[in-house]
Amino acid sequence: GIQVEQSPPDLILQEGANSTLRCNFSDSVNNLQWFHQNPWGQLINLFYIPSGTKQNGRLSATTVATERYSLLYISSSQTTDSGVYFCAVPMDSNYQLIWGAGTKLIIKP
Amino acid sequence: DGGITQSPKYLFRKEGQNVTLSCEQNLNHDAMYWYRQDPGQGLRLIYYSQIVNDFQKGDIAEGYSVSREKKESFPLTVTSAQKNPTAFYLCASSIPWQPSRGYTFGSGTRLTVV
Repeated sequence: GIQVEQSPPDLILQEGANSTLRCNFSDSVNNLQWFHQNPWGQLINLFYIPSGTKQNGRLSATTVATERYSLLYISSSQTTDSGVYFCAVPMDSNYQLIWGAGTKLIIKP
Repeated sequence: DGGITQSPKYLFRKEGQNVTLSCEQNLNHDAMYWYRQDPGQGLRLIYYSQIVNDFQKGDIAEGYSVSREKKESFPLTVTSAQKNPTAFYLCASSIPWQPSRGYTFGSGTRLTVV
């Protein structure tokens, strides 16, 4: 089945720094989602990005479907950006997502 | 505002007990999901439901049961057959044929066996 790998597993930055998180997937996909889980466990869907680039404030995401990877960019990091970032792709339908192991981001004040 | 409500936030279970976790949504989403998350790990799918009165097993359904009698509600029962139920449980919903609208998650229930 399709494999999803995220890197780096952990990232510690100072407030104001920029970061790039990567998601590699082993097969072609028509749906890729990025999520943020805050330290209290709440998961928020950040982007639906099967291809191309999207931006939402300080966050942007790019998926290069032909090369099977997606990048999440966080600019001017704030402490509220801390948490775990997951990418997920569907297995054989949009009902079953395959989740990466996540990147744990810690932003220090 | 629409969203998903999970209750309770914290739940303690004695050995041999069945417990039920509540999940209610007012988003008019057809699909609902239950995930389990262990500390430092990603999400694993327990069950999902595409429509009322239908549900499918996910990757780790053993020891769990669900029902979908109403579109808005998708309760999860953790049975005594689940030998290691201590975990964080997340409920989610979506419109599967519109993945661009994404997935909405509840705030979770932390279950601890005592």
